[in-house]
Amino acid sequence: DAGVTQSPTHLIKTRGQQVTLRCSPKSGHDTVSWYQQALGQGPQFIFQYYEEEERQRGNFPDRFSGHQFPNYSSELNVNALLLGDSALYLCASSSREGRTGELFFGEGSRLTVL
Amino acid sequence: GQNIDQPTEMTATEGAIVQINCTYQTSGFNGLFWYQQHAGEAPTFLSYNVLDGLEEKGRFSSFLSRSKGYSYLLLKELQMKDSASYLCAVLPFSGGYNKLIFGAGTRLAVHP
Repeated sequence: DAGVTQSPTHLIKTRGQQVTLRCSPKSGHDTVSWYQQALGQGPQFIFQYYEEEERQRGNFPDRFSGHQFPNYSSELNVNALLLGDSALYLCASSSREGRTGELFFGEGSRLTVL
Repeated sequence: GQNIDQPTEMTATEGAIVQINCTYQTSGFNGLFWYQQHAGEAPTFLSYNVLDGLEEKGRFSSFLSRSKGYSYLLLKELQMKDSASYLCAVLPFSGGYNKLIFGAGTRLAVHP
């Protein structure tokens, strides 16, 4: 049973560019959340997708957008990259039938903005 | 809003017991969670407290006191593999489904 998979694992971009990160949830999960984790910090909630719609959003600007596909996989897009966007981006999946608050995280995509 | 405080770093000896504290200010929450994150890896779920009291799970236990805004994670019989960051998180009432608010984490170093 494959867990949460994310791609790419590492990438380097320059300021002003755009990036797309991808996530496949754990088998049987229907909800995908994205978190940003800066070095030495805890994960910060970006947004959550369920039934192909954004259901909740954290305190992130509109430069951060996403999508969920019919197979429950998801993308995170960040436009007009800033140096401060350098972080580990974690995808977490869960099921509405599972234990509340138990998230299954992927290994993350480490983004470096130069 | 929510404010979650944890010590930044702790060290402990293999075989010992360590307690990692977490204090929070929040208007209300559905549950308090602990996650473990090894360096360069994904966070993994450890424990979940809804009601006050102690939840035991093998070598790990977690305690919650809602009235005191306090939780702790207790690790017994420490092993070298327990060296990791431990993240305290709350699921606020207003947050909706599974929107966890994390603390900055406590880096635990276990040495021989």
